[in-house]
Amino acid sequence: AQSVTQLDSQVPVFEEAPVELRCNYSSSVSVYLFWYVQYPNQGLQLLLKYLSGSTLVKGINGFEAEFNKSQTSFHLRKPSVHISDTAEYFCAVSFQGAQKLVFGQGTRLTINP
Amino acid sequence: KAGVTQTPRYLIKTRGQQVTLSCSPISGHRSVSWYQQTPGQGLQFLFEYFSETQRNKGNFPGRFSGRQFSNSRSEMNVSTLELGDSALYLCASSFEGAGNTIYFGEGSWLTVV
Repeated sequence: AQSVTQLDSQVPVFEEAPVELRCNYSSSVSVYLFWYVQYPNQGLQLLLKYLSGSTLVKGINGFEAEFNKSQTSFHLRKPSVHISDTAEYFCAVSFQGAQKLVFGQGTRLTINP
Repeated sequence: KAGVTQTPRYLIKTRGQQVTLSCSPISGHRSVSWYQQTPGQGLQFLFEYFSETQRNKGNFPGRFSGRQFSNSRSEMNVSTLELGDSALYLCASSFEGAGNTIYFGEGSWLTVV
């Protein structure tokens, strides 16, 4: 079975500091990887996705993620965060051919001024 | 281009009642899926429909059902509501094809009392 683990449930950082949100997955088959963001009382918005090719993926709002196949990880990073980045972030996987996402438990990112 | 639209946004139901939630996908999207989000269980896949046929199903009891119409609009129904069914129900749509971005609506907040 496939699963996704987000290693931190909450991450507090200061404004303009760098941040890394960690995600590991388990799968016996090739997967596609996604990061979604959820602002309060809203649905999910796609930040970025990895399908194939370059392991460094750039997304919206200055976020990027790196796929590491040997470590089965897909960590999300941003070099300098802003107050507006306060939200919950979800890592997800899908399997080739399936329009279905398996999500991690989410990481709540809190930005302190 | 309009996004995924869900109605109603908020509703309160009594235990034992049933509820129907509606979803209009992005124009041209034929795959529609539903997810349940709760604080305890996180984001869980309910089912996915494509061309009026259920293609994938999550691990939920038979009280949870859905359908898709010829115009790709979808409804999900929960019968004999339980307190534990209180959740945010998210609808998502995508083009057919592995790895295609899955777009989410803002969700329907269901409270069962």
